[in-house]
Amino acid sequence: KAGVTQTPRYLIKTRGQQVTLSCSPISGHRSVSWYQQTPGQGLQFLFEYFSETQRNKGNFPGRFSGRQFSNSRSEMNVSTLELGDSALYLCASSFVGYEQYFGPGTRLTVT
Amino acid sequence: AQSVTQLDSQVPVFEEAPVELRCNYSSSVSVYLFWYVQYPNQGLQLLLKYLSGSTLVKGINGFEAEFNKSQTSFHLRKPSVHISDTAEYFCAVGDSGGYQKVTFGTGTKLQVIP
Repeated sequence: KAGVTQTPRYLIKTRGQQVTLSCSPISGHRSVSWYQQTPGQGLQFLFEYFSETQRNKGNFPGRFSGRQFSNSRSEMNVSTLELGDSALYLCASSFVGYEQYFGPGTRLTVT
Repeated sequence: AQSVTQLDSQVPVFEEAPVELRCNYSSSVSVYLFWYVQYPNQGLQLLLKYLSGSTLVKGINGFEAEFNKSQTSFHLRKPSVHISDTAEYFCAVGDSGGYQKVTFGTGTKLQVIP
């Protein structure tokens, strides 16, 4: 089985812009979670989608949003980018929600 | 609410020496426990998991962990480390009910010294 794929792998944006990141889960997995990883804050949970519905949400401002499509692919969007949004964004998929399989991440740099 | 504490942010150890990475958790319900490894510039990879049954869990790359309910711990161990084990290790806990939310610890960087 193919693993979790994330596109793009690297991204450079300017403050104030918006960005959309994409995640394709492992075939058959219906749960997709997103995490932000930074050296200072570690791994922080953004949100989780299951069958196109947001099931869990972390403590991030409304500028961070996501969605899941009927084929389980997911996107996350960050609007009005700030310098502090520079991070590695990780997507993880799972069959039942516990055992998560991670993608390689998207490295976002905001200048 | 559940939480995970990884007591050591960095652990240096000489090659071929044993290592233990500590993890403590708190939860009001039964839990599932995981250890993940992250190599530089990569995503997280599942090392091992405890869902139920035997409290001693064996994972990939020679790692094992023991679930201790009374001490609410899930420490990761390896009897002899290699240079290739240099990475960051994350402990995670998921509650067995509700919305299956998984909480990660802050990570422990294992540095294997040749």
